[in-house]
Amino acid sequence: AQSVTQPDIHITVSEGASLELRCNYSYGATPYLFWYVQSPGQGLQLLLKYFSGDTLVQGIKGFEAEFKRSQSSFNLRKPSVHWSDAAEYFCAVESSGGSNYKLTFGKGTLLTVNP
Amino acid sequence: DAGVTQSPTHLIKTRGQQVTLRCSPISGHKSVSWYQQVLGQGPQFIFQYYEKEERGRGNFPDRFSARQFPNYSSELNVNALLLGDSALYLCASSLRNRFYEQYFGPGTRLTVT
Repeated sequence: AQSVTQPDIHITVSEGASLELRCNYSYGATPYLFWYVQSPGQGLQLLLKYFSGDTLVQGIKGFEAEFKRSQSSFNLRKPSVHWSDAAEYFCAVESSGGSNYKLTFGKGTLLTVNP
Repeated sequence: DAGVTQSPTHLIKTRGQQVTLRCSPISGHKSVSWYQQVLGQGPQFIFQYYEKEERGRGNFPDRFSARQFPNYSSELNVNALLLGDSALYLCASSLRNRFYEQYFGPGTRLTVT
């Protein structure tokens, strides 16, 4: 069965510092991978997605993620964090069984940004 | 254009009762998915409906059911509510029965007492 692990429950960084959020997945086939962000009182917003091709994908708000099949990872990065990036981040993997699909989320990483 | 809308925003129910949550997708979207998000956890996939047919189901008991209407809006029903059903219920819509164009609504906060 598919699964997603986000090893870091809570990360604190200073504004302007770089950021990397880890995500490991388990899925037998080629994965479709996503990163979502959820701000307090806000709905989930898609940051970026990977389906195939270039393993480095660019998203909104200056985020990028790199797919590494050998490590079953899809880590999210940002070179310089802004205070407005404080939120909870979720990694997710799409799985399929015939024509049916399922989306499995990790438990999330809460990002705190210090001034 | 209006985004995904959900109603009600909040509701409080008693154990054993039944609840119906509603979702209106973005115009033109034919797929609706439902998720349960317990406080401090990631969303858990409940159902996906596409063209009024169930196309995906997560690991939830039969107390959970859903349907999609001809206008592509959807309802999630939960029977015999348990305290553990207290959560934020999220609806998302997409053009097709895949998740890469998925847009989420603000959610319905359900409290079971």
